[in-house]
Amino acid sequence: DAGVIQSPRHEVTEMGQEVTLRCKPISGHNSLFWYRQTMMRGLELLIYFNNNVPIDDSGMPEDRFSAKMPNASFSTLKIQPSEPRDSAVYFCASGQTGPEETQYFGPGTRLLVL
Amino acid sequence: GEDVEQSLFLSVREGDSSVINCTYTDSSSTYLYWYKQEPGAGLQLLTYIFSNMDMKQDQRLTVLLNKKDKHLSLRIADTQTGDSAIYFCAEKRQAGTALIFGKGTTLSVSS
Repeated sequence: DAGVIQSPRHEVTEMGQEVTLRCKPISGHNSLFWYRQTMMRGLELLIYFNNNVPIDDSGMPEDRFSAKMPNASFSTLKIQPSEPRDSAVYFCASGQTGPEETQYFGPGTRLLVL
Repeated sequence: GEDVEQSLFLSVREGDSSVINCTYTDSSSTYLYWYKQEPGAGLQLLTYIFSNMDMKQDQRLTVLLNKKDKHLSLRIADTQTGDSAIYFCAEKRQAGTALIFGKGTTLSVSS
């Protein structure tokens, strides 16, 4: 299996621009997570989908952030408009619900908003 | 508190054992996990332990769980320079919820 695939790997944009991050989970997994990692705040859960349905979006910072999962093999995280404080590494992870529920992380997207 | 707590840094010499400690919060947590993050990479699942176990060993890794004190540790035997990374502890509190991660412990291994 290719693992969790994220694109782009790096994104540099200007303040006010729209940013779209993409994730392809591991085939057969039914849970998908978006995290944000910064030096100051560590690893933060933004949103969690189960069977394509958002279960917990309490970590989404504000209305500028939105996430979708139109099918089991694709998810997007959109920031519009972007701000410099959104600069971070954004990780997508997937897993299979069950007793163990381990999560497998993608390589991340490094976002820099100027 | 509500957080999973870890010490921020650990420095060891190559060949020594490393012990990374973690305190979690929910006594009903079912599974506890250790992840490793190398520079510029995502988090890699290292190992996990079910809450009714006290210990789990996997090659150079030994996980110890003290459920009474809600304390989890990861011991790396014969630490190598390739073990230098950030190690995250995480707990699963309830079925159908996301993992709760600590802020990570940076392990530095000197030769």
